[in-house]
Amino acid sequence: KNEVEQSPQNLTAQEGEFITINCSYSVGISALHWLQQHPGGGIVSLFMLSSGKKKHGRLIATINIQEKHSSLHITASHPRDSAVYICAVNGNYGGSQGNLIFGKGTKLSVKP
Amino acid sequence: DGGITQSPKYLFRKEGQNVTLSCEQNLNHDAMYWYRQDPGQGLRLIYYSQIVNDFQKGDIAEGYSVSREKKESFPLTVTSAQKNPTAFYLCASSVLRQGAGGYTFGSGTRLTVV
Repeated sequence: KNEVEQSPQNLTAQEGEFITINCSYSVGISALHWLQQHPGGGIVSLFMLSSGKKKHGRLIATINIQEKHSSLHITASHPRDSAVYICAVNGNYGGSQGNLIFGKGTKLSVKP
Repeated sequence: DGGITQSPKYLFRKEGQNVTLSCEQNLNHDAMYWYRQDPGQGLRLIYYSQIVNDFQKGDIAEGYSVSREKKESFPLTVTSAQKNPTAFYLCASSVLRQGAGGYTFGSGTRLTVV
């Protein structure tokens, strides 16, 4: 079983729809990250969370530490939001505390 | 503007040749990382370095080597011992020694071995 699980794997939405991507993890963490990867491959960091909720523009990220679960929401989705969204956690154990454990990503396609 | 520069973006090599991927950052970050990405899989850690002249193996270090002679630079060599080198390689850096802060990623190098 992967330590970081994302759902869904693939998501197709119509422009304007509200989108939710989920992330569950099974290890103790110091922080959780949401990343965006565009078709060219480069990755942009969207959020880093250790508790509660963060908002940036149309993007909202929440985390529930007790349930080991995080969600990324996109309001009023747009075709330019089409990308792969990756959840990653900083494991809170051992000598590799600084290293990220990645989910496999959710491929989002927003149709006009 | 500060950031991470990976070069080249695309790289083709013949089987059996060593190849070095470049990663440079001007963010004054302590820690640097190399990840490998394969289709349908999450990124996997190859090597990381938290200080100059020191680096640690990640989960899939076999067939790879690195150096950290300068804080700004963390080149990755894919050796002929790597059995399946064709992949997308990402470099990243972070500000804190434990890496529990924000990360900055490069734009990646797509390596194809023929």
